[in-house]
Amino acid sequence: DVQMTQSPSYLAASPGESVSISCKASKSINTYLAWYQEKPGKTNKLLIYSGSTLQSGTPSRFSGSGSGTDFTLTIRSLEPEDFAVYYCQQHNEYPWTFGGGTKLELK
Amino acid sequence: QVQLKESGPGLVQPSETLSLTCTVSGFSLTSYSVSWVRQPSGKGPEWMGRMWYDGDTAYNSALKSRLSISRDTSKNQVFLKMNSLQTDDTGTYYCTRDWNNYFDYWGQGVMVTVSS
Repeated sequence: DVQMTQSPSYLAASPGESVSISCKASKSINTYLAWYQEKPGKTNKLLIYSGSTLQSGTPSRFSGSGSGTDFTLTIRSLEPEDFAVYYCQQHNEYPWTFGGGTKLELK
Repeated sequence: QVQLKESGPGLVQPSETLSLTCTVSGFSLTSYSVSWVRQPSGKGPEWMGRMWYDGDTAYNSALKSRLSISRDTSKNQVFLKMNSLQTDDTGTYYCTRDWNNYFDYWGQGVMVTVSS
């Protein structure tokens, strides 16, 4: 199975700042990486798929980059609603696997 | 709009069988696949298996011997059955709409505790 490793596990930031979350795969997954946002009381939200393609409705301050084994989710100019947990998921090969998550907290 | 809702028991005895139902609306099970994903508390999600739009299934090999996914298209429902539950099967179980191997809609999830 492809192991997905996210870092950092926790990240503290303030509104208006920009942050980046890393996701590393144990083998090449081409560009087949998705990012999700988890917030209490809401269903998980798909943000980005295929590495850099924004899902409909995802604000443009979110961007994804990377290929092969190294990927990054960047959020520019944080809004209050962005404080959440973020997960990456490879969709290159069975079984689809997820990272352990990054909790973005308010500083 | 697209919605998925999981239902089932919150508490299961060790060695017993877990049965969950996912009721979907806003899309057809004959056009979209549905996957089950679970998440132990404090850990990342784990993909369990998929019901393809054509009725075929695919399973995570780690769970394949214990897991069965089926559906009733007339009721817009997908079912999960997993036997021989142990305490490390405790977590939140989600059904998701599976589009191109990623998950574009999720249910709210159902918390399942395995305990005597």
